Amino acid sequence: DGGITQSPKYLFRKEGQNVTLSCEQNLNHDAMYWYRQDPGQGLRLIYYSQIVNDFQKGDIAEGYSVSREKKESFPLTVTSAQKNPTAFYLCASAPGAGNTIYFGEGSWLTVV
Amino acid sequence: AQKVTQAQTEISVVEKEDVTLDCVYETRDTTYYLFWYKQPPSGELVFLIRRNSFDEQNEISGRYSWNFQKSTSSFNFTITASQVVDSAVYFCALSELGAGGTSYGKLTFGQGTILTVHP
Repeated sequence: DGGITQSPKYLFRKEGQNVTLSCEQNLNHDAMYWYRQDPGQGLRLIYYSQIVNDFQKGDIAEGYSVSREKKESFPLTVTSAQKNPTAFYLCASAPGAGNTIYFGEGSWLTVV
Repeated sequence: AQKVTQAQTEISVVEKEDVTLDCVYETRDTTYYLFWYKQPPSGELVFLIRRNSFDEQNEISGRYSWNFQKSTSSFNFTITASQVVDSAVYFCALSELGAGGTSYGKLTFGQGTILTVHP
């Protein structure tokens, strides 16, 4: 089936650790995105990538890093520099500018 | 900068009632896209509709309908004869396209409206 796969669904992180959230899509989309959602709030853009080996910071990029080595993959690393990482993280992709953006099922990250 | 406002934080209705979710947006661009997404308890955002700024026709899809009014910068969503399965958080979002499409589809989301449909 075509779609966007995020893993893991639930992740617990200890203070000071880096963690990586996986996002894979088999839709042949050029653009990929990472959004963060906090309880009772809308989504905020962390990073986005329009093409392989290129990505740009979104509105809340501090404490996060990404890579885009393959078209189908856009992993997000939450570093120890992110002071409040507990949130729901959503990966998304789109064929290109102006097209519909489709979302994965999300990953819950909790700092313990 | 663009902004999306969903003034209704929570709405509660009884099954079979009609319900309208409001969305007001701000943008300086003449070319943009508007979206509605549904987020059920499972968490995934489900795409409902995309409308470009040049198309002000209202749209109906089954029990769903959308009213886009550029003059008031509004893109409201109505569910007719609501059902329990409609219970979810609904998000309105705006995507701007800068010169040459440089914004590349980044979405600005509203805060979301929690809809609860009671049996």
